[in-house]
Amino acid sequence: SQWGEENLQALSIQEGEDVTMNCSYKTYTTVVQWYRQKSGKGPAQLILIRSNEREKRSGRLRATLDTSSQSSSLSITGTLATDTAVYFCGGSSALGRLHFGAGTQLIVIP
Amino acid sequence: EAAVTQSPRNKVAVTGGKVTLSCNQTNNHNNMYWYRQDTGHGLRLIHYSYGAGSTEKGDIPDGYKASRPSQENFSLILELATPSQTSVYFCASGEGLGGYEQYFGPGTRLTVL
Repeated sequence: SQWGEENLQALSIQEGEDVTMNCSYKTYTTVVQWYRQKSGKGPAQLILIRSNEREKRSGRLRATLDTSSQSSSLSITGTLATDTAVYFCGGSSALGRLHFGAGTQLIVIP
Repeated sequence: EAAVTQSPRNKVAVTGGKVTLSCNQTNNHNNMYWYRQDTGHGLRLIHYSYGAGSTEKGDIPDGYKASRPSQENFSLILELATPSQTSVYFCASGEGLGGYEQYFGPGTRLTVL
């Protein structure tokens, strides 16, 4: 079953800018995870946010989860060239399987 | 020291041939997963396992089998490979289902000619 509605998008920004990526979903979701995948590598988790946490921060990253609108966002402040990667979200219920969206290709130009 | 490793990293196979992709994890996680990643589709779950001896169908299991002979090892088997199975395959491990982080391997690029 399809979890997210996004298609692979691409964003190109200058180093130092802030960026926000969005993710929307269709099915019952209480946990959202954001992953980053650098070229030629496997994905790696950045943040996990639960439905009782409207916002979660980790360093330059900030994730939000709005269960009423069935959406989540990931913001990166002060981007670096090394933030260039594909970012994608995955969601599930607490005990259900994790489903992933297609992701956003972020290019940070030095 | 990588906790999830995959072999081979690259594979070229012929249509109709048998392909086995292997995954090993040293995280001591009960759950392991096989995904394929294609442009525009993100990660799609093929098979997963709750522990040694168990395999479960994911969202796109047709044409694939899985084997979990031990806690550490999880294989994906293509008995009769087809060009539509050309993709990048990722293995992952995790403590539990959706509410837990998954740790991914580096991926295997499979080309079926």
